[in-house]
Amino acid sequence: QVQLVQSGAELKKPGASVKISCKASGYMFNTYYMQWVRQAPGQGFQWMGIINPTNGAATYAQKWQGRVSMTTDTSTGTFHLELSGLRSDDTAIYYCSRLNCSEGSCVGDYWGQGALVSVSS
Amino acid sequence: QSVLTQPPSVSAAPGQRVTISCSGSSSNIGENYVSWYQRVPGAAPKLLIYDNEKRPSGIPDRFSGSKSGTSATLDITGLQTGDEADYYCGAWDSSFRGGAFGGGTKLTVL
Repeated sequence: QVQLVQSGAELKKPGASVKISCKASGYMFNTYYMQWVRQAPGQGFQWMGIINPTNGAATYAQKWQGRVSMTTDTSTGTFHLELSGLRSDDTAIYYCSRLNCSEGSCVGDYWGQGALVSVSS
Repeated sequence: QSVLTQPPSVSAAPGQRVTISCSGSSSNIGENYVSWYQRVPGAAPKLLIYDNEKRPSGIPDRFSGSKSGTSATLDITGLQTGDEADYYCGAWDSSFRGGAFGGGTKLTVL
């Protein structure tokens, strides 16, 4: 079955970078885009961007342009999200979610368990 | 601030019905499909509804979705205590070409 297993919780200082992984299994890796979504305390989901695993092309939400990088490792079937210049308001749970697109519809049909990133001095 | 607007909380008794609304704009709900997700604290979000009204395999028909104009609704009938969770709506936004989500609605089954 489809599984997205994310890396563990991280505690970082302001200004640092964090790299989160999402290992996909149970389906053909190159067949689906992956999106990253985060949820800060007391807030809803925020869409961060998507990546095409076939060619590594990524599209980022404007809010994180210049601070975020999404990559893939096709040899291990793993997606990575790296966020730099961390601030306290980057404290959030970060989710990877497989994007299933067909006939004009795109939906996150499977989600990882989330990775908590805490930013504190 | 979320792109889509949901009520912060709803509540109802076991066995009753509850409706969760989701309001957007012409660039998201107005011209794209709506999906709904259930998030139980500590667990991965689960897809409940996609393409406005379709249910993935394994989702009971107690959950149903609909869309009209720039708004969408999730209906849950025959409420169970296990339905207590946060519910989120989502849609693609053609304006900024990205995902748009609601702020989430906490469902309490009294």
